[in-house]
Amino acid sequence: EPEVTQTPSHQVTQMGQEVILRCVPISNHLYFYWYRQILGQKVEFLVSFYNNEISEKSEIFDDQFSVERPDGSNFTLKIRSTKLEDSAMYFCASSEFGGEGSEQYFGPGTRLTVT
Amino acid sequence: ILNVEQSPQSLHVQEGDSTNFTCSFPSSNFYALHWYRWETAKSPEALFVMTLNGDEKKKGRISATLNTKEGYSYLYIKGSQPEDSATYLCAFSGGADGLTFGKGTHLIIQP
Repeated sequence: EPEVTQTPSHQVTQMGQEVILRCVPISNHLYFYWYRQILGQKVEFLVSFYNNEISEKSEIFDDQFSVERPDGSNFTLKIRSTKLEDSAMYFCASSEFGGEGSEQYFGPGTRLTVT
Repeated sequence: ILNVEQSPQSLHVQEGDSTNFTCSFPSSNFYALHWYRWETAKSPEALFVMTLNGDEKKKGRISATLNTKEGYSYLYIKGSQPEDSATYLCAFSGGADGLTFGKGTHLIIQP
């Protein structure tokens, strides 16, 4: 069964460093998302992406964050200068269709630890 | 700020017993309610997407109901098995792309 994959599974970085989290969405999906979950808190929406541009972003997704689809298969989240509070589990998701009733399929997440 | 609440936070159930838990969400601007099953170190697995008031969906021993007028959904598990142990997340869609999640119900099935 097709699945969303994410690499790496765990990333440790120092404060102020740039990190890139990678995702390979399901191949026929057109809509892509990033979410994060800080330990002990709810999963939070960061950004959605369609047709090579951001379609929606939350307040969390500030200028430190960017997303890109560099080729036909990868979808990346870049954090330019990491802060301690960026430590979280980051989930990528994809869906075949847009719209509120469309099922979003999640990857297993990348645990980011900022020291 | 959208508020999605799940209760209880955690639940211990004896194998073979049936159980249920709740997700409450805003009753205005409702578009869809999603249920996910999430086992540690795995991807959250989509269980149901529900859009219509009164909707009932079923997948094996798991079923869900939806009341959009009062803003709640129930997830039921019949005859719990150890493999049902997981965190069950609900997520509300109010017309935006992003889902608003509850904190989850952590279910532990005791043999």
